[in-house]
Order: sequence, then structure tokens, then C-alpha cells
Amino acid sequence: AQKVTQAQTEISVVEKEDVTLDCVYETRDTTYYLFWYKQPPSGELVFLIRRNSFDEQNEISGRYSWNFQKSTSSFNFTITASQVVDSAVYFCALRNTGGFKTIFGAGTRLFVKA
Amino acid sequence: GAVVSQHPSRVICKSGTSVKIECRSLDFQATTMFWYRQFPKQSLMLMATSNEGSKATYEQGVEKDKFLINHASLTLSTLTVTSAHPEDSSFYICSAGTSSTDTQYFGPGTRLTVL
Repeated sequence: AQKVTQAQTEISVVEKEDVTLDCVYETRDTTYYLFWYKQPPSGELVFLIRRNSFDEQNEISGRYSWNFQKSTSSFNFTITASQVVDSAVYFCALRNTGGFKTIFGAGTRLFVKA
Repeated sequence: GAVVSQHPSRVICKSGTSVKIECRSLDFQATTMFWYRQFPKQSLMLMATSNEGSKATYEQGVEKDKFLINHASLTLSTLTVTSAHPEDSSFYICSAGTSSTDTQYFGPGTRLTVL
């Protein structure tokens, strides 16, 4: 069975702090995709990143970076120098490469205070 | 980039009425569409998988007679909540997948409130 665990329900930081959102996944598939989405108060999901299971390179995009560790089945997301606009719910998600059925984690609600 | 639209974005209805939500892929043909439900402060839960021209596949615990899904074309899927009740109030999100790029795109969501 597939499962995504985001153990942090809520995180509160002060602006300019760095914050890491944890994601641990379970799957029996040998090939799969991992995702991070941002959901602001409007509700619309904002795609942040997709990572293929065979690509363990870490990625950096501006203030965002992702650390994929297949050995520990983790795909953590770090926001550097957080800003108030980063306040949102962040979802980690998993799907196999043979279809589009996506399993979401419970989400982490991030509060960034000015 | 590819866009998925949903209509309406918000709907308020009386208990016992039926509500139809449309999901359209605007610039690509979607071989598969999905319907998710999200209750306040919870995650997205997959309700059903909609394949063009065939019956939808429902997840365990989702009543297929209450949540009717029709995928009439490669660009349109509809979700009808029949005889809606206050407990059906939720945020409904659709997504559309295209095998050409193995990518799934999410719609903006529809907020349903049943009075």
C-alpha cells in the first residue's frame, strides 16, 4: 500500500527563519513520483516540484530546496529565509509512474509571522 | 501551461437538491480525470477515477449512487452530488492527467455548502 506521512501538523516561524517540512513515504513500486504542493487560503493547489524516484539529486529553486533520500524514504522541503507569503498548507504527495492516482499526506500548515 | 478549470467555483444549495460540478481540461485531452474531496483542515481524499467513455472507479467508502460521475469527452468530466446534505459540504477538486507528458493538473476547486 502507498502512504505519505507528514508528521508536522503545524509549524510557526518568524520571518527570515529557515524551515524544513518533513515527508516520509511508503510504496512497493520501484518507480514513482514525489510531489510538493502549496495550498494558500484560496484553496487552489500550487505545484512546486515533481521528483522521479530514480533521480536522487537534490534541487534548489530560489528560496526552496528539496532533499530526496531514497534510503530513508524521505522527501523533505526547506524554505530558506521564510516570508509571510509562504504561509500556507503544504502537501507532499506520491504516485506511481503507471497511472495518475495520487496519494496525499495530511499536510503541514505553515505560519510565518512578520 | 496546461489548465484545468472547474465550474462553479462556489455553490450554496439547500439540503435535498442536486449539484453538478464541471471539470474541463482547457488545452489538452485528458485520458483520465480524478475527483478529490477536502474537508476543512484535512487532506485531499481521492473519491473516484473517471475514464472517458467508461464507468468511473470509486474509492472504498464513496457512494457511487450519491456522487455521479460522467466523463463524456476527453476534456470534460462532471460530478453530480445527488440529494446533497450538510455533511456533503466540502471543497471538491478535480484533476486531469495526460499520458503524453505523464503529468496531472489540478483544477482550482469548488466549494460546496449545503444548508
